Amino acid sequence: RKEVEQDPGPFNVPEGATVAFNCTYSNSASQSFFWYRQDCRKEPKLLMSVYSSGNEDGRFTAQLNRASQYISLLIRDSKLSDSATYLCVVLGGGTYKYIFGTGTRLKVLA
Amino acid sequence: EPEVTQTPSHQVTQMGQEVILRCVPISNHLYFYWYRQILGQKVEFLVSFYNNEISEKSEIFDDQFSVERPDGSNFTLKIRSTKLEDSAMYFCASISAGGVNEQFFGPGTRLTVL
Repeated sequence: RKEVEQDPGPFNVPEGATVAFNCTYSNSASQSFFWYRQDCRKEPKLLMSVYSSGNEDGRFTAQLNRASQYISLLIRDSKLSDSATYLCVVLGGGTYKYIFGTGTRLKVLA
Repeated sequence: EPEVTQTPSHQVTQMGQEVILRCVPISNHLYFYWYRQILGQKVEFLVSFYNNEISEKSEIFDDQFSVERPDGSNFTLKIRSTKLEDSAMYFCASISAGGVNEQFFGPGTRLTVL
């Protein structure tokens, strides 16, 4: 099993749609979780941290399910500018090594 | 807003040459990282650095690689004898404290080995 696994997509959705991405991780001792956004040939930019209680930032909602070892990201009312690759990032337990998933590519269509 | 900077933005080199990639992390940050991303592939951890020494390194980070923080602001990645397969985007990142804080990335250096 890969350390951090994501569906690579692409997810092609119309503007205004709601889209959800999942990510699974293999190390049950992992302690911190993040979603990053990466535009083509640019650096990853932090979208949001993921907390056990779940958290929301505008149109974005992140959830963590420790029992099943997965993280989700929900984007509501998709905009054209949301088109990017969304990276799931996990910080392993007892380590400062951040593990990246392959990313899920989202394309929002007009 | 403070940011991580990297130079050069693009480096072209001949196979077998040494390259040094430079990063200036955010000034009050304590942990520093180098990552590699081969075109079309995922971001791969290379090395983490704290308190002037390597905290952790991946299997990619072999004897050809080294890191240094020579003057309290710069953080460098040296590749001693570049190979074709070293061609990639190299990202530097930093965090303010260990463990749970979010990483902030520099814009990257695109390394092309001919």
